This record gives sequence, structure tokens and C-alpha cells, in this order.
Amino acid sequence: SQQGEEDPQALSIQEGENATMNCSYKTSINNLQWYRQNSGRGLVHLILIRSNEREKHSGRLRVTLDTSKKSSSLLITASRAADTASYFCATVSPDYKLSFGAGTTVTVRA
Amino acid sequence: EPEVTQTPSHQVTQMGQEVILRCVPISNHLYFYWYRQILGQKVEFLVSFYNNEISEKSEIFDDQFSVERPDGSNFTLKIRSTKLEDSAMYFCASRLDRAGDTGELFFGEGSRLTVL
Repeated sequence: SQQGEEDPQALSIQEGENATMNCSYKTSINNLQWYRQNSGRGLVHLILIRSNEREKHSGRLRVTLDTSKKSSSLLITASRAADTASYFCATVSPDYKLSFGAGTTVTVRA
Repeated sequence: EPEVTQTPSHQVTQMGQEVILRCVPISNHLYFYWYRQILGQKVEFLVSFYNNEISEKSEIFDDQFSVERPDGSNFTLKIRSTKLEDSAMYFCASRLDRAGDTGELFFGEGSRLTVL
């Protein structure tokens, strides 16, 4: 299956701490994307990293990609209560099919 | 900022009834998608649509489902003879183009379908 699998399934941290979640996948990709979903809401695109990139930053987000290990990580630095959400990695195959993983639920405690 | 809009936000229907979920993708986008998320589970791909035809569909997207772009702006998902297990959040998404774009999908807020 192309789908990414996130780890951990759930994460609880104190405000100000960093949150790291990982995504592993099985087949080749064109790019890998991370999305956020607040409870009961739609998916919001956070960041995209292409298969020939190794690291990307966007504000407090840092994404890495290791295609040799078929894995990616999302780091949220200096977390805030508003970062409480589910985070999904989505792999995009060479023929542009996007598939979501099961997600990591992040709870940031004030 | 352009956005994908979906209606209704929540629909309750009786088992066996037909449901139409509507989406207005971003106006210059060319690829359209429906995804489904059963409560507490992962987001599942249903179907992609390009150039007025289905480009890909998952095994979930059986004869019970159909999609249509009736008027060049709306993109609809029809579910015939709904079943209890069709209860889920249905997300519409659109993407600009395949070549030269970022690959980012823009999602609507979802339509929650409850089948009783």
C-alpha cells in the first residue's frame, strides 16, 4: 500500500515543548505532504516536501524526508494550545495519487 | 482567498434514501476529488475527476456512488440507497493542475452524513 503510517498515534505535550511525529510509507513517491485537521473540521495543507528534498521549513514547522528509509518527520517547535489537532501525512505517488495515513493526534496542554 | 465550499455541512437521512453532496471547487482548478472519513478513522480516497470524467476510483467507490460536474462549477457526489456504514464525513478537494503545480490539495470543510 502507498499509504503513510504515522507514529505515534497520539501525543500529549506541554505548551512550549516541541512535538515530533513520524510517517513511514512503502512505495516510491513524487512528494509527501502534511495536513492538519482540527476536530470536526476540514483538512488544512501545512507543507509539501518533494522526493528530491531532504528538509523544509515553514514557520514553526520543520519537515524531513529520507527516501532511503521511506520516512518523514514533522516537527512543531514551541507548541501552542492552538496546535492541538490531528496531523496526517499524505504520500503522492508518481502518478499523483494522494493517500493519507491514519494520523497523529496531538494535544498541547496549557 | 479562494476556497472549496461544500454543502450541506450536515445531512441526516434514512437508510435507503439517496443523498447528493455538493462541492464548489476553486474556480481555476482542474482536478477534483472526494474523500471520506468515518469517525475516528483515516481519510480514504474515493474518486478523482478530471476533464469531465473519472480518472481514478477506489474499491469503496462502487455502483452506489456517482460523481458529476453538471454545470462547470459544481462537483457532486451522489450516494444511492444509503447504508448505515455510509455515515461519515465526506471531503471534496481540488487541485490546480498536474504539471508544474505544488501538488497541494485544497479541501472543503466537509459534509457530515448521518444515516439512520
